[in-house]
Amino acid sequence: GAGVSQSPSNKVTEKGKDVELRCDPISGHTALYWYRQSLGQGLEFLIYFQGNSAPDKSGLPSDRFSAERTGGSVSTLTIQRTQQEDSAVYLCASSSPGLERYFGAGTRLSVL
Amino acid sequence: AQSVSQHNHHVILSEAASLELGCNYSYGGTVNLFWYVQYPGQHLQLLLKYFSGDPLVKGIKGFEAEFIKSKFSFNLRKPSVQWSDTAEYFCAVNGYGGSQGNLIFGKGTKLSVKP
Repeated sequence: GAGVSQSPSNKVTEKGKDVELRCDPISGHTALYWYRQSLGQGLEFLIYFQGNSAPDKSGLPSDRFSAERTGGSVSTLTIQRTQQEDSAVYLCASSSPGLERYFGAGTRLSVL
Repeated sequence: AQSVSQHNHHVILSEAASLELGCNYSYGGTVNLFWYVQYPGQHLQLLLKYFSGDPLVKGIKGFEAEFIKSKFSFNLRKPSVQWSDTAEYFCAVNGYGGSQGNLIFGKGTKLSVKP
C-alpha cells in the first residue's frame, strides 16, 4: 500500500477485555515496530520484528501484551485483560533495514 | 540505558521568530539521531537524521540540526518559523549495539506559532 495502515483507528473497550490492534506495513518493508504514545510521555518502544528473526520484545510492559507478525507482513498487537493505564495511542511503523521508519496514523485505545 | 531529554515541553513563538529546540541524549557510543514532527491530526514523519559525516544536517521545510558530540546534543533549529510549523517535535536516538528496533524518543516539544 501507499503507507502504513492501522486498524481500527479508535477502540473503546471495557477494563478486563482483550483487544487486537492491526498493522499493515508498507509493501516490501522487512522491519516492523510497535510503539505506544501516552499523553505527555512521548513514544515508548514495545516490540520490533525484522524479517524471520526472533522479535525484540524488550519493550513490552507486561505479559498481557503480545504481538505476532504473519507471513512477514501484517502484524497484530494483542492486549489481554486491558487496564485503564493501557489507554494510549498505539503506533506502528515499518522500514527497510536501517532506513527511515514510516509511521501509521495509530490506534487510539480507550479503556473504560 | 539510553535516554533522550527534550528541554522544553511547550514553546510559543510569533511568526518569523527563530527556533531552537534542545535535545540531549545519554549514550557513550556511536549514535544515529533523528528529529520527527507530528502535525496536528497527522502521522509522525521524519524531519531530518544524522548518521555520520557533516554534523550539521539539513532537513525538510528549512529545518536543520547540529550534532555536537562533546555535548551529547542534537538541537533543532529554524531561522524563521511559520504558522504552519505548529506541531509536536520529537528527538530520537538509536545507539549502535542496541536493538535496531529500539529507537528511543524524547517526550516531545509542542511548538505553537502565532500568526
